[in-house]
Amino acid sequence: AQTVTQSQPEMSVQEAETVTLSCTYDTSESDYYLFWYKQPPSRQMILVIRQEAYKQQNATENRFSVNFQKAAKSFSLKISDSQLGDAAMYFCAYRPSSNAGGTSYGKLTFGQGTILTVHP
Amino acid sequence: EAQVTQNPRYLITVTGKKLTVTCSQNMNHEYMSWYRQDPGLGLRQIYYSMNVEVTDKGDVPEGYKVSRKEKRNFPLILESPSPNQTSLYFCASSFSGGSTYNSPLHFGNGTRLTVT
Repeated sequence: AQTVTQSQPEMSVQEAETVTLSCTYDTSESDYYLFWYKQPPSRQMILVIRQEAYKQQNATENRFSVNFQKAAKSFSLKISDSQLGDAAMYFCAYRPSSNAGGTSYGKLTFGQGTILTVHP
Repeated sequence: EAQVTQNPRYLITVTGKKLTVTCSQNMNHEYMSWYRQDPGLGLRQIYYSMNVEVTDKGDVPEGYKVSRKEKRNFPLILESPSPNQTSLYFCASSFSGGSTYNSPLHFGNGTRLTVT
């Protein structure tokens, strides 16, 4: 079974600085997708960034980027120039490829979450 | 507006009283799923559906039922709720297969359920 681990229950950063949130996962699949979701106090789940495992290039979305290390099964999120609005719970998530066959594609696994605090 | 609509947003009930949390999406998504969120445990999948009349268990299905009679609706049913089902519940949907195989999930706004 796939597992996703976020080892940092809480992180903090000063406004305008950079912070990295860690995520590791365990899978026997070679083709899959990884996501970071943000959950602000409103509890809405917002997609931050996604990565296809077959792509070696790290995904980037404005101030958000990932460091995807497939061999190490690591998928960290870097937030640059942190803003007060970045304060939220962040979840890492794993989804097998539709090529996985059967119904395993439907199983999406989340990490435990990391609470990010941004100090002004 | 493309969205996943969950109702109710808050629900307080008593042990054993059957309840249904509704979920509807207007994006013609094949895939729908239910999650519960608990502190320190993240989101755990309860049930999911790959398409109409196709459902399967997630990681924590005990005590829950689902049905998928129409593509847009995926209700979560608690036949006999217990206090350990007190949680924050999310419904989500996405495309599946083909060129949209990496489609991200679209989430509803959550339902805070308290069972006393």
